[in-house]
Amino acid sequence: TQLLEQSPQFLSIQEGENLTVYCNSSSVFSSLQWYRQEPGEGPVLLVTVVTGGEVKKLKRLTFQFGDARKDSSLHITAAQPGDTGLYLCAGDYKLSFGAGTTVTVRA
Amino acid sequence: DAGVIQSPRHEVTEMGQEVTLRCKPISGHDYLFWYRQTMMRGLELLIYFNNNVPIDDSGMPEDRFSAKMPNASFSTLKIQPSEPRDSAVYFCASRYQRVTEAFFGQGTRLTVV
Repeated sequence: TQLLEQSPQFLSIQEGENLTVYCNSSSVFSSLQWYRQEPGEGPVLLVTVVTGGEVKKLKRLTFQFGDARKDSSLHITAAQPGDTGLYLCAGDYKLSFGAGTTVTVRA
Repeated sequence: DAGVIQSPRHEVTEMGQEVTLRCKPISGHDYLFWYRQTMMRGLELLIYFNNNVPIDDSGMPEDRFSAKMPNASFSTLKIQPSEPRDSAVYFCASRYQRVTEAFFGQGTRLTVV
């Protein structure tokens, strides 16, 4: 079983600050996805990373896939209240998720 | 497409009763996933299907849980008999092929009293 560990579990920051959340595993993944879930809704895909060392940017969000394809990070620059939500990573075809990081951005 | 459709949105039932959750995936998608989400355990994968065939049911908690996919446009998750610890939000998701975007339904909030 491929287990994904996410850290931190909770993160509360002020609007305008930067934040980074992490997704780690002892297993190698051929791909990894990041989703964001808002209260009362299902998760929604943010990005898929496939190549070791890959960096993808989505406006203020930067995603990185580790060289060994065992870990990934999500960095948000100048966070806004609209970035509040549960951030989840999922690996490979089986779509098993980590426990997630709950991000709260205070206005 | 209306997206992944789950029903009911909310279900309250008494312990011992049978509960059936339903999911209609997006047309053309060949993978379907069932998840359970709680504060304590997060988003747990219960089972997934490929082309209507169950591929991995190792996440199904016990024999009280069963899932079927009789055709490409419908799947059910049944709990019989239900217990209070089954209370959770159950999500269904579908996607096309192995590593593409998965689309989630809005979930069914199950409360077993």
